[in-house]
Amino acid sequence: QLQLQESGPGLVKPSETLSLTCTVSGGSISSSNYFWGWIRQPPGKGLEFIGSLYYTGSPYYNPSLKTRVTISIDTSKNQFSLRLSSVTAADTAVYFCARERITFGGLIPRGGPFDYWGRGALVTVSS
Amino acid sequence: DIVMTQSPDSLAVSLGERATINCKSSQSVLYSSNNKNYLAWYQQKPGQPPKLLIYWASTRESGVPDRFSGSGSGTDFTLTISSLQAEDVAVYYCQQYYSNPPTFGPGTKVDIQ
Repeated sequence: QLQLQESGPGLVKPSETLSLTCTVSGGSISSSNYFWGWIRQPPGKGLEFIGSLYYTGSPYYNPSLKTRVTISIDTSKNQFSLRLSSVTAADTAVYFCARERITFGGLIPRGGPFDYWGRGALVTVSS
Repeated sequence: DIVMTQSPDSLAVSLGERATINCKSSQSVLYSSNNKNYLAWYQQKPGQPPKLLIYWASTRESGVPDRFSGSGSGTDFTLTISSLQAEDVAVYYCQQYYSNPPTFGPGTKVDIQ
C-alpha cells in the first residue's frame, strides 16, 4: 500500500523559507505514470494546488506562487520536497503531498486526479 | 485559471436519503479529442486528507461504495450519494484537471439531519 508522509518544521518565521519533505513508501517515485505534488489548505478553508513534478524533473507550479516555490525530487531517497520562500501569515496552512495520476490530452501528458495523499503537515508562519 | 463553484455550501440529509452536490466550472473541462471530462470529486473528513471518490466525472475510484456516483459534462457536474450513511458526513470538493493549474471548488459540507 502506497504511503506518503510529510515532514518538516511546524513553525516558520515571516520572510523565511518553508521547507517540507514528502517520503514515499510502498512504491517507487520513479514510476512513469505519476506526477508528485503539493497542495495546501489554510485552516478552515479550501484546497490550493502548489505544484507538481515528474520524477525526471520538469516541475509545474501554480502561477500565483511560482515566484516563491521550488519543488524537487530525490529518487535515491524516494522523496520529493517543497520550498516556499518569503512566507507570510497567509502561508499558514496544512500542507499535503500527493500522487497525481498522469492523464493524456492527445499525445501530451498532463495532470490528473490526486489518488494518494499524505496526512498533512500544519505549518504556522509566526514570529 | 478555471474557477470552480459548488452548491449548496452545506446540506443536511436524513440517514438513508439522497444527497446531491453541484459543481460548475467557469469553462468546459470536456476534452473533445477523447470525450472525457477532466473532473474529480473528493471527500474530506475532519483531520484527514481528501480521498479521491470519482474521476473522469463519473468513474468511481476502486473501493468507493456504489452509493457514490458522478454525472454531468462540460461545465455542470453532480455528485450524488444515493443513501446517506453516518460515515458520509464530510466536506466534498470537486476539482478540474483540464488545465493548469488544477483548481478545486470551495467545498460542500454534508451533515446528518
